[in-house]
Amino acid sequence: GIQVEQSPPDLILQEGANSTLRCNFSDSVNNLQWFHQNPWGQLINLFYIPSGTKQNGRLSATTVATERYSLLYISSSQTTDSGVYFCAPGGAGNKLTFGGGTRVLVKP
Amino acid sequence: NAGVTQTPKFQVLKTGQSMTLQCAQDMNHNSMYWYRQDPGMGLRLIYYSASEGTTDKGEVPNGYNVSRLNKREFSLRLESAAPSQTSVYFCASSEAAAEGNTIYFGEGSWLTVV
Repeated sequence: GIQVEQSPPDLILQEGANSTLRCNFSDSVNNLQWFHQNPWGQLINLFYIPSGTKQNGRLSATTVATERYSLLYISSSQTTDSGVYFCAPGGAGNKLTFGGGTRVLVKP
Repeated sequence: NAGVTQTPKFQVLKTGQSMTLQCAQDMNHNSMYWYRQDPGMGLRLIYYSASEGTTDKGEVPNGYNVSRLNKREFSLRLESAAPSQTSVYFCASSEAAAEGNTIYFGEGSWLTVV
């Protein structure tokens, strides 16, 4: 199956700082999604981005499929951005393989 | 609009007991999924149902069975619980089993097997 590696594993930010999270994956994929899990365990889909760049407010994501990596950018971080960010690439269908996540703590 | 609803939210089982986790979605989605999340790790797919009447194994199906009761409901059964099945279980749904369809997750069910 697909191997997924996310870095860094942990990230502490001061409110207002910018950061970049990275996801490397081992195989060609036609599906890649980013999720945020808040401190209460709720999972929210952030992006569907098998290739290219997308932006949604202070978050943006870029996937370079040919080089098998994806980046998630958080700008002007807020305390509500705290939680765990998961990258989940997949092949056919919506069967995703989740990485181990990046745990983000934004301090006020 | 409740989205994806899971019950129970918390459960403690003794080794060897059986139980069923219930999941229902009210978004008229065709596809449903069961994932487990162990402490400090990402989610792993247990079973999925691409459409009503079909189910298929995911990455970690051993020790589990599923039933797609109708379009709304997808249950996960542990026939003989083991401590290794202590985990948080998430049910999810999407409009179709095709890439690009947003997956919506339930709030999770915390299961402890002692």
